[in-house]
Amino acid sequence: KAGVTQTPRYLIKTRGQQVTLSCSPISGHRSVSWYQQTPGQGLQFLFEYFSETQRNKGNFPGRFSGRQFSNSRSEMNVSTLELGDSALYLCASSLAPAGNNEKLFFGSGTQLSVL
Amino acid sequence: QKEVEQNSGPLSVPEGAIASLNCTYSDRGSQSFFWYRQYSGKSPELIMSIYSNGDKEDGRFTAQLNKASQYVSLLIRDSQPSDSATYLCAVLSGAGSYQLTFGKGTKLSVIP
Repeated sequence: KAGVTQTPRYLIKTRGQQVTLSCSPISGHRSVSWYQQTPGQGLQFLFEYFSETQRNKGNFPGRFSGRQFSNSRSEMNVSTLELGDSALYLCASSLAPAGNNEKLFFGSGTQLSVL
Repeated sequence: QKEVEQNSGPLSVPEGAIASLNCTYSDRGSQSFFWYRQYSGKSPELIMSIYSNGDKEDGRFTAQLNKASQYVSLLIRDSQPSDSATYLCAVLSGAGSYQLTFGKGTKLSVIP
């Protein structure tokens, strides 16, 4: 069974640009969560999607958005990039939402660098 | 603001010793607790979960939970160099709008 697939693996952007990251969950998993990981702040929750609906959102500005498609694949978008958005963005999938005590399976992440 | 606190380390233990990793959380209503392991350059993977007060053992790993003290710990017995990694404590809370909050992690080094 294939794991969680995130593309692209690396991205370099400049301030003010926007970026879209993609996540394909494990087959059969319907819940996708996104996290931002930085050395200073650790793993911070961005949002969670289940059956194409956003169930929860972390404390990030509106520049961060996401969506989930009918095949459970998810994308997140960051508009008007800032230097502080440089981070590893991790996607995690699970069978059901996190509130069900589900085990999260993480992808390898997308390393975003904003210059 | 829900907070999960861990000592950042590094925590160094000799091979064969017991490694003790600690975590405290701020939300008294938190319901579920997890330990993830993250090797350098890799993504986190779940190693233990615990939901009720007391101890839960799985092989060389023991998770301990004390909800009254808002404290959760992970013990690794007979530590091996392959256990060297960052250990992330994660807490699930927020009835109706659940959110998994991670600590910043404790880096463990097992010295051969």
